[in-house]
Amino acid sequence: NAGVTQTPKFQVLKTGQSMTLQCAQDMNHEYMSWYRQDPGMGLRLIHYSVGAGITDQGEVPNGYNVSRSTTEDFPLRLLSAAPSQTSVYFCASRGRGNQPQHFGDGTRLSIL
Amino acid sequence: SQQGEEDPQALSIQEGENATMNCSYKTSINNLQWYRQNSGRGLVHLILIRSNEREKHSGRLRVTLDTSKKSSSLLITASRAADTASYFCATDRNAGNMLTFGGGTRLMVKP
Repeated sequence: NAGVTQTPKFQVLKTGQSMTLQCAQDMNHEYMSWYRQDPGMGLRLIHYSVGAGITDQGEVPNGYNVSRSTTEDFPLRLLSAAPSQTSVYFCASRGRGNQPQHFGDGTRLSIL
Repeated sequence: SQQGEEDPQALSIQEGENATMNCSYKTSINNLQWYRQNSGRGLVHLILIRSNEREKHSGRLRVTLDTSKKSSSLLITASRAADTASYFCATDRNAGNMLTFGGGTRLMVKP
């Protein structure tokens, strides 16, 4: 049981490039989320999904797109990378009801 | 904006001592959760306390919740060097997917 798997673990991009951060979970969780964590700060919610085909914006959605075609996968797309998007990105999933989030180990992204 | 604010921002103690971290929040909640983050890793869930609960225990961890004061505390008893990590509180306002995190408390336990 792998839990939440994020790839890649590290990535360096140039300003203006696009890329997709991958997230997969094998716990059959309906709910999945993407967060970013900036140095010395807590996590801020980017986008989330309550099930396949359903996504919604979080606190800081600008510059990011998501889709949820399957229960297992929830990719995060950076459309045109900017230095302000340099951060550590975490994907999380959880089951229904009052359940805790399960986090991946993160993707460390640098935009030059 | 961050719903939860942890206090203190940093805490350094000796092994065997107790560590207390506090979290304050602004709006009504459905539940409050505490997470630990080791350096370079993802967050690990510690305890979830519902809005109608006042205290919860898990091993050496004790969490309290005071909804009238909109505050929570996490107590780690008999701390160990392995407890060195950042600790975050997160509030869930509607049992949905919108967790709001505080800025965290960095705990260092010296052997």
